[in-house]
Amino acid sequence: AQKITQTQPGMFVQEKEAVTLDCTYDTSDQSYGLFWYKQPSSGEMIFLIYQGSYDEQNATEGRYSLNFQKARKSANLVISASQLGDSAMYFCAMRDPLGGGFKTIFGAGTRLFVKA
Amino acid sequence: NAGVTQTPKFRVLKTGQSMTLLCAQDMNHEYMYWYRQDPGMGLRLIHYSVGEGTTAKGEVPDGYNVSRLKKQNFLLGLESAAPSQTSVYFCASSDPTGTGYFGPGTRLTVT
Repeated sequence: AQKITQTQPGMFVQEKEAVTLDCTYDTSDQSYGLFWYKQPSSGEMIFLIYQGSYDEQNATEGRYSLNFQKARKSANLVISASQLGDSAMYFCAMRDPLGGGFKTIFGAGTRLFVKA
Repeated sequence: NAGVTQTPKFRVLKTGQSMTLLCAQDMNHEYMYWYRQDPGMGLRLIHYSVGEGTTAKGEVPDGYNVSRLKKQNFLLGLESAAPSQTSVYFCASSDPTGTGYFGPGTRLTVT
């Protein structure tokens, strides 16, 4: 069964420094997608970045990059130059292609605290 | 574009009452989902739909029913609410890559 594991319940980072949030996944499928979402204290879910399993280059979106290591089944999120507004919960997710749809499963999340 | 909207935003139910949560999207997405989020946990998929007239069970479907009579709407029903269904409910739709667009959430309390 597909599974997403985020082993860091909480992380602290100094403002302007880079931080890596870990995510490992388990799937037997060859075609899948990996996502990161941000959930601020206001509660909404904000899409950050997407990586397809066949994409050869790591995805980047502004200060966010996804360190995709397929053989290790890891999809870590790197946030460069952290800002106070980056303090939030971060969820790693995987698109599960089974069942004829784009069912997406989520990890338990990592809470990031950015210190001034 | 309103994106994904959910009504209501908050609701308090007594055990045994029923209610329906409404989700609407204006992005013409085929896929729609209902998730629940409990404290300290990620989102868990309740039901999903791959197109108008279709529904399928997710990870935690018990106690819920859904309907997708129109492409833009996805309804989540609780026939007999239980305290274990106290949660925040998120509706989402996704584009062809699977990227999810989420509604603002509905905070449901069952007493």
